[in-house]
Amino acid sequence: GAGVSQTPSNKVTEKGKYVELRCDPISGHTALYWYRQSLGQGPEFLIYFQGTGAADDSGLPNDRFFAVRPEGSVSTLKIQRTERGDSAVYLCASSSAVGQGGEAFFGQGTRLTVV
Amino acid sequence: AQSVTQPDIHITVSEGASLELRCNYSYGATPYLFWYVQSPGQGLQLLLKYFSGDTLVQGIKGFEAEFKRSQSSFNLRKPSVHWSDAAEYFCAVGGRSNYQLIWGAGTKLIIKP
Repeated sequence: GAGVSQTPSNKVTEKGKYVELRCDPISGHTALYWYRQSLGQGPEFLIYFQGTGAADDSGLPNDRFFAVRPEGSVSTLKIQRTERGDSAVYLCASSSAVGQGGEAFFGQGTRLTVV
Repeated sequence: AQSVTQPDIHITVSEGASLELRCNYSYGATPYLFWYVQSPGQGLQLLLKYFSGDTLVQGIKGFEAEFKRSQSSFNLRKPSVHWSDAAEYFCAVGGRSNYQLIWGAGTKLIIKP
């Protein structure tokens, strides 16, 4: 597609529920990144994919968070047993080259609200 | 510790006036520096970046930034702002092979007519 697409744009879920957030990167981009942006803060790195593999998942806050990219394109961020503190905007970005983390194109994000 | 500080949470500027947004960083290696803009309803967009070479870098939308190693700063400037520049601006730092950018908390730019 023309840009990075994230769905849904908004998600409201109850505490304890499971959610999936989808990211469709720019066609041909091999690198894909997930960030979390809390209110009044800059983005916080979660995980980086190079192709199908998670090259670095050190930013995932705990084992309730998991992400996949099975075919090296679309990625899904999965959050189990959601907590109110998980409420944030989840951003996805993609880039065409490795090691150029800043030269990435961002989606509009998914605003997750846990009630 | 590695960090990025944007000391101004909000800045209000009259349309047509000049703008400077401050960014200070702490980074243990050669920094790669970025400015992004986030407009309402839009994704983060890269304005400009500094990797090496000339310390004054030009970006899109008439923005420029100057890298000052001695001051650990990378301030963003624009000679004359337009109402469409109203947005939130983020400074970020990383290493050449480090995709894990460290981000500032952002500066919200408000334009007075």
